[in-house]
Amino acid sequence: SQTIHQWPATLVQPVGSPLSLECTVEGTSNPNLYWYRQAAGRGLQLLFYSIGIDQISSEVPQNLSASRPQDRQFILSSKKLLLSDSGFYLCAWEGTLNTEAFFGQGTRLTVV
Amino acid sequence: GQQVMQIPQYQHVQEGEDFTTYCNSSTTLSNIQWYKQRPGGHPVFLIQLVKSGEVKKQKRLTFQFGEAKKNSSLHITATQTTDVGTYFCAEVYGNQFYFGTGTSLTVIP
Repeated sequence: SQTIHQWPATLVQPVGSPLSLECTVEGTSNPNLYWYRQAAGRGLQLLFYSIGIDQISSEVPQNLSASRPQDRQFILSSKKLLLSDSGFYLCAWEGTLNTEAFFGQGTRLTVV
Repeated sequence: GQQVMQIPQYQHVQEGEDFTTYCNSSTTLSNIQWYKQRPGGHPVFLIQLVKSGEVKKQKRLTFQFGEAKKNSSLHITATQTTDVGTYFCAEVYGNQFYFGTGTSLTVIP
């Protein structure tokens, strides 16, 4: 069966520090992968999506970047975090049965 | 991208009361999906509707897709405390998921 792993679950980082969040999917190949951000009490903002290795589309210009070095690995990065980068980051992949989104457990990032 | 509006943003109900959240679009939707996110958790897929006027049920949850495919609703009958969370609608279009703004449901015991 397919599973999605996202880590870490929580992260506290100082302003100006780098960021690397990793997401991996098991049990499927060539999945469409997504990074979302959810501010406290808010909706889901699509940050990046990828349809294949090294194929990244950015939805919102910002302080973040994404990479997909392997088929089932999706990484969200920042060189210098801002306070406004705080939020709940969710990785997701698109299922093949109903084309539904399967989300990872999420990473709660607090920039201090 | 597609714009999907969801109302209300927040809803507080007494346990046992019904609850409905609405999803609206100015353009015709190709499909509509519904997700539930428990407090502190991640969104979990509930259902997908594709056909005009489609109605699906999952126990106390009833999902409807409008005849014009521009709106959808999720109705919960006799809410329970386990129903608390945020409910999102979403359209899948061109490899992307366009999520509604979500409705946060609080159930008062």
